[in-house]
Amino acid sequence: QKEVEQDPGPLSVPEGAIVSLNCTYSNSAFQYFMWYRQYSRKGPELLMYTYSSGNKEDGRFTAQVDKSSKYISLFIRDSQPSDSATYLCAMDRGSTLGRLYFGRGTQLTVWP
Amino acid sequence: EAQVTQNPRYLITVTGKKLTVTCSQNMNHEYMSWYRQDPGLGLRQIYYSMNVEVTDKGDVPEGYKVSRKEKRNFPLILESPSPNQTSLYFCASGGGSGQPQHFGDGTRLSIL
Repeated sequence: QKEVEQDPGPLSVPEGAIVSLNCTYSNSAFQYFMWYRQYSRKGPELLMYTYSSGNKEDGRFTAQVDKSSKYISLFIRDSQPSDSATYLCAMDRGSTLGRLYFGRGTQLTVWP
Repeated sequence: EAQVTQNPRYLITVTGKKLTVTCSQNMNHEYMSWYRQDPGLGLRQIYYSMNVEVTDKGDVPEGYKVSRKEKRNFPLILESPSPNQTSLYFCASGGGSGQPQHFGDGTRLSIL
């Protein structure tokens, strides 16, 4: 079993929809949780960064972490065509080794 | 502006011809990494470096070398490239102890 599981999609929604992206994981040692957005022909760009359980909001984006269920989510409100990208979740145990564990990414298309 | 710069962005070459992909960062990060991204497999870490002269293998190090002679640069070396190394490569800067990593825009390598 891969340590981080993420449904690759593709996911296609109309403009203005609420999008929910999710990852599950198996390693209870993960402490730091990130979401990256990757546009075509670009590198992953850090979108959200959270520590431990709870919610974090930044504009139209909300990241949720539920460590008891080993489940993290990214919500996008009022989705825009410019949100069309691949979204990758990533997790870190917080050790000095700095190893990030990535999901395989979910491809999202928001159509006008 | 904080940047991770990779060169070249695109390269087509032949089996066995040594090549180097350069990576430079201006954020004074100690930690740097190299990843490859393949369809269906996601991002996999090749090598990482915790500081100058300190490097170690990631998940898929076979066929690659790295060096870290100065803090800002972390080149990836393919001494004898083979077709199975055709991939999209990303350099990342930052990380360790839960800190997020910041990615360059990638290098697309095709080995014929």
